[in-house]
Amino acid sequence: NAGVTQTPKFRILKIGQSMTLQCTQDMNHNYMYWYRQDPGMGLKLIYYSVGAGITDKGEVPNGYNVSRSTTEDFPLRLELAAPSQTSVYFCASSYSAPSTNEKLFFGSGTQLSVL
Amino acid sequence: GENVEQHPSTLSVQEGDSAVIKCTYSDSASNYFPWYKQELGKGPQLIIDIRSNVGEKKDQRIAVTLNKTAKHFSLHITETQPEDSAVYFCAASIPGTYKYIFGTGTRLKVLA
Repeated sequence: NAGVTQTPKFRILKIGQSMTLQCTQDMNHNYMYWYRQDPGMGLKLIYYSVGAGITDKGEVPNGYNVSRSTTEDFPLRLELAAPSQTSVYFCASSYSAPSTNEKLFFGSGTQLSVL
Repeated sequence: GENVEQHPSTLSVQEGDSAVIKCTYSDSASNYFPWYKQELGKGPQLIIDIRSNVGEKKDQRIAVTLNKTAKHFSLHITETQPEDSAVYFCAASIPGTYKYIFGTGTRLKVLA
């Protein structure tokens, strides 16, 4: 199993550009998440999904959109990129909900700079 | 709101010494506390976890302790090795939600 795969690993955007961060998992996990990691700030939840066709906002959703058309894929869309979106983005998945003490599997991250 | 405080933010130890990282959570209903290790250029990986009905758990050189009354939990690494150098995150689950609250991370450096 490849686990959780994210692409691209690095990207530089100009202010106002758009892009999609790709995430796919081959573990048949129902739950998928997008986090951003800023220096000294830990991991903040952007969006999550509990299954195909179901998505919901996390702590910091503004400026982002997601979709979940299949169990495997959970892309994150940035519209009108802003410098405040410069961060490292992690996709994660789990078989069941955190409330069931389920561990998260993380991808290797996407480092995004908006200049 | 829900919060997890983690200390210290950086920690340097000599190889062979012990390292301790501490976290405090705010939601008394939290019942699951995982620790993740993030190596350079990689995503976080679970290294150990503890549930609220257990006070201590050990796995070889790493251990986690939980004090529910004080809402504290700690990661202990003994006989540290250079490969233990990484960023460590604590987290707490929020019952009834689909999320964890993460601490701000501790950068551990093991000096050879």
